[in-house]
Amino acid sequence: GEDVEQSLFLSVREGDSSVINCTYTDSSSTYLYWYKQEPGAGLQLLTYIFSNMDMKQDQRLTVLLNKKDKHLSLRIADTQTGDSAIYFCAERLNDYKLSFGAGTTVTVRA
Amino acid sequence: DTGVSQDPRHKITKRGQNVTFRCDPISEHNRLYWYRQTLGQGPEFLTYFQNEAQLEKSRLLSDRFSAERPKGSFSTLEIQRTEQGDSAMYLCASSLDAGTNEKLFFGSGTQLSVL
Repeated sequence: GEDVEQSLFLSVREGDSSVINCTYTDSSSTYLYWYKQEPGAGLQLLTYIFSNMDMKQDQRLTVLLNKKDKHLSLRIADTQTGDSAIYFCAERLNDYKLSFGAGTTVTVRA
Repeated sequence: DTGVSQDPRHKITKRGQNVTFRCDPISEHNRLYWYRQTLGQGPEFLTYFQNEAQLEKSRLLSDRFSAERPKGSFSTLEIQRTEQGDSAMYLCASSLDAGTNEKLFFGSGTQLSVL
């Protein structure tokens, strides 16, 4: 399957933590990715996790993977106004193809 | 390293016209990808090149679409006889052929509007 699903919107107060959730369908996916897209820009790779890991932390970012439920989440600690963007979850389907979700628009309010 | 560069940033055309987009990948990257992103959706895979060889094309890529990568450097994506349904952001990405954890670096895209 190639369906990656994400919630569409998230509003968070500056300084709080943001949690963005994603579900994927292909249990054979080896790597899962989080990309960030700011207005008028391309996608920026934020972080990734290998499918045999449960958690990965990278500065303010924490990725949690529940392979049994095919659930991936991205936690952003101490959310800043610069974190306002669209966040895409993606799974690697094969050697050359990524399948992306529709994106979660994160709005950070003061 | 100036990143992946795409030109033009925006293109407005009338239905039935042909358009061509250009992508310059990161210089040492041997893989180049084209993705399409419509409003409110994530990017969808169109095609990719390993050096100058086009190795895979999505069924989304109709006969009106053609992509080339002469000499394994820059790439062009041409759409002939454009239709309103072709309106989208066309994203180019490049990578090193680094196995299963290949990391894609995206350009800023070309926004196509077909009137």
